[in-house]
Amino acid sequence: DTAVSQTPKYLVTQMGNDKSIKCEQNLGHDTMYWYKQDSKKFLKIMFSYNNKELIINETVPNRFSPKSPDKAHLNLHINSLELGDSAVYFCASSQGSDNEQFFGPGTRLTVL
Amino acid sequence: DQQVKQNSPSLSVQEGRISILNCDYTNSMFDYFLWYKKYPAEGPTFLISISSIKDKNEDGRFTVFLNKSAKHLSLHIVPSQPGDSAVYFCAAPRGNTPLVFGKGTRLSVIA
Repeated sequence: DTAVSQTPKYLVTQMGNDKSIKCEQNLGHDTMYWYKQDSKKFLKIMFSYNNKELIINETVPNRFSPKSPDKAHLNLHINSLELGDSAVYFCASSQGSDNEQFFGPGTRLTVL
Repeated sequence: DQQVKQNSPSLSVQEGRISILNCDYTNSMFDYFLWYKKYPAEGPTFLISISSIKDKNEDGRFTVFLNKSAKHLSLHIVPSQPGDSAVYFCAAPRGNTPLVFGKGTRLSVIA
């Protein structure tokens, strides 16, 4: 009974393609996040979103966009993929300002 | 801008001994710190936290110490067990921005 799930787990694609990664949480949390773990092992926040506010890390290219059809889902859309987008992407969720976040298993994206 | 730093990429410890993982931070506005544990191919899981009003927080085999004057915190695991082998991330929230993570330290507990 997975709390935070992501699909797909692995994604291999060509440069220039558009792809999406899906995230779902069944914890009833009101805030969801996307993180990127780069080749240097840093976990960097990309977006945080609740039903009131989307907070975007200003360093994230606008080729990346979050889409939230409902409170339980926050999908990540990436347009015109570049080689440097190759990384592991983690979705997470939390309840309000509680900083304990629950993470999904990650999606390894490889751009060829 | 590495506001949270974990300078040791890896650490090996014998089973039963103490593991000490270190974390330094540069932002004196941080008032809450968390440790996450990550197994391969899984997302990070919350382990233990500490508020800046404390200098120690203990939960079973895990203790986190905070030295505000040195902007340093450490995670102690005693006794270490093979199942503790994982990557440990130190993290801190920054205002309205969610967590800032260190690079992580890979702990290997040798039986």
